[in-house]
Amino acid sequence: GQQVMQIPQYQHVQEGEDFTTYCNSSTTLSNIQWYKQRPGGHPVFLIQLVKSGEVKKQKRLTFQFGEAKKNSSLHITATQTTDVGTYFCAGLPGSGYALNFGKGTSLLVTP
Amino acid sequence: DVKVTQSSRYLVKRTGEKVFLECVQDMDHENMFWYRQDPGLGLRLIYFSYDVKMKEKGDIPEGYSVSREKKERFSLILESASTNQTSMYLCASSPMVDNNYEQYFGPGTRLTVT
Repeated sequence: GQQVMQIPQYQHVQEGEDFTTYCNSSTTLSNIQWYKQRPGGHPVFLIQLVKSGEVKKQKRLTFQFGEAKKNSSLHITATQTTDVGTYFCAGLPGSGYALNFGKGTSLLVTP
Repeated sequence: DVKVTQSSRYLVKRTGEKVFLECVQDMDHENMFWYRQDPGLGLRLIYFSYDVKMKEKGDIPEGYSVSREKKERFSLILESASTNQTSMYLCASSPMVDNNYEQYFGPGTRLTVT
């Protein structure tokens, strides 16, 4: 099936450092979504990007969708311990109902 | 608030048993999904349904079946449980209308097959 690759798999940072996770799709996407899963929890929707080149911000989080609609990134500025969790990207292909999830990036933040 | 509930948080079954996992959503969403989540493999789609009585295979449907008799309920069935089906099972629903494709997840069922 269609692939969404996400890197890195793990990231360990000191509190206050920045963090970025990247997603790449083998095919053009109609939209891309980002989810956060806290340890022991379930994935929770963060944001959806639809337009080519789109950039959205949520406080310290910045989300980008590439010009070709094949890649995306999530950047967290000045991480906090509350940012700990696994971040998933999920791409919706041009047709169809099913999201293709990346394998996630697990973020650990130490104080 | 959208609510997606799953019948059990933890379940222990024996090899060969028939297992039913139930999922209910209260937001009148057309689309519902079943995933399994395993360490290092992320979320893998088992089946999804875009309407009552409609179903589509996902990436890993082998060993599973589903039922959607009512809009709010989507059931995952393991016909004969095997140890390699030990996993976390997540249900989700989504409106998928008006450019809203957000998926709402249930709390998950951690299934252990012994």
